[in-house]
Amino acid sequence: DAKTTQPPSMDCAEGRAANLPCNHSTISGNEYVYWYRQIHSQGPQYIIHGLKNNETNEMASLIITEDRKSSTLILPHATLRDTAVYYCIVRSWNSGNTPLVFGKGTRLSVIA
Amino acid sequence: NAGVTQTPKFQVLKTGQSMTLQCAQDMNHNSMYWYRQDPGMGLRLIYYSASEGTTDKGEVPNGYNVSRLNKREFSLRLESAAPSQTSVYFCASSEQALSMNTEAFFGQGTRLTVV
Repeated sequence: DAKTTQPPSMDCAEGRAANLPCNHSTISGNEYVYWYRQIHSQGPQYIIHGLKNNETNEMASLIITEDRKSSTLILPHATLRDTAVYYCIVRSWNSGNTPLVFGKGTRLSVIA
Repeated sequence: NAGVTQTPKFQVLKTGQSMTLQCAQDMNHNSMYWYRQDPGMGLRLIYYSASEGTTDKGEVPNGYNVSRLNKREFSLRLESAAPSQTSVYFCASSEQALSMNTEAFFGQGTRLTVV
């Protein structure tokens, strides 16, 4: 699976959009981009995933560049409860039995 | 529907003691995983079970053993605990290891301290 690069930390004002970038320049055609988050002391929580089209669900939007070498997770109206570590993970659909591999992620702090 | 349940939530062990961390899921998932997370670090995979009856080593398997007791339960055993095993342990499950649309569900963690 391709490697990802994320900034170690970001701040966002409450009520504003939080845009979390992820670089995956070595991504291959059969690899998906997954986002998880981990709120302090809790288990990670799935947010969203995508292949090449932009995706949106009730939690967030995922914007993937046309060349698929980077993506952005958007939390449209960040709240204090969105303060967490966000993990961007690239995984092939045919990874076989290979499970998720977590990096260090981006620590998002939402500020009142 | 409880999802993934881990027991115990907290544990303190003395060096050399043994213990088993329990994990159960009620989502009829085929695949289960054990991760550890040290302070300020990402999750590291210890062992996983792609399906009932199979187990495989992850990134940091030394000092641990696992048992996939049945489809619901996947336990992690420390035979002789060491201070380096002080960590938060997370169990997770997913429907399929091979599915392109698989998402993983995590338990709330077991906080283990070895003194």
